[in-house]
Amino acid sequence: GENVEQHPSTLSVQEGDSAVIKCTYSDSASNYFPWYKQELGKGPQLIIDIRSNVGEKKDQRIAVTLNKTAKHFSLHITETQPEDSAVYFCAAGHTDKLIFGTGTRLQVFP
Amino acid sequence: GAGVSQSPSNKVTEKGKDVELRCDPISGHTALYWYRQSLGQGLEFLIYFQGNSAPDKSGLPSDRFSAERTGGSVSTLTIQRTQQEDSAVYLCASHYQASAGELFFGEGSRLTVL
Repeated sequence: GENVEQHPSTLSVQEGDSAVIKCTYSDSASNYFPWYKQELGKGPQLIIDIRSNVGEKKDQRIAVTLNKTAKHFSLHITETQPEDSAVYFCAAGHTDKLIFGTGTRLQVFP
Repeated sequence: GAGVSQSPSNKVTEKGKDVELRCDPISGHTALYWYRQSLGQGLEFLIYFQGNSAPDKSGLPSDRFSAERTGGSVSTLTIQRTQQEDSAVYLCASHYQASAGELFFGEGSRLTVL
């Protein structure tokens, strides 16, 4: 069945360093790849997304890259700040259905 | 409020009891999703609605789980004869269009089965 794998499960970085989270997906029909941030006690919120017709997208300190041939995509956060600490989820989907990864707990230490 | 609203926010129940979880999506959003998040785990897809119909029920863990949506708006997720392994946060999300795009999540209903 459809599957999305996400690594690492936890990531600790020093403030100002970069963080990278990687995901792979199994369904070759997937054409939409969002990333969500979940803070404690809250529902996940979209931070950036990419569709299969582009290879890279940037929004200030965050960027996402997509390799459709290899079926993997990555989230890059530069100049990390303590408020970036949260759980991050990747997802892959098409039409109406999104399958989520297992999440990465990012901790940014001051 | 303009966001997705879920109730109750917390529910503690005894094993074997039935529970109902409610989701009120953003007005005008035609698609509605239920996900389950167990402690420290990812988001497990349960079911989604397009209008009042459920094209994909493949994620429901067992026949103890059911969901309905009425009037293209409010949805109820029902768990019958709850088991301890049902303990989790149940998240609802809505989406305004029929194609893949941003999901707007509620804050979830935390279910604890004793």
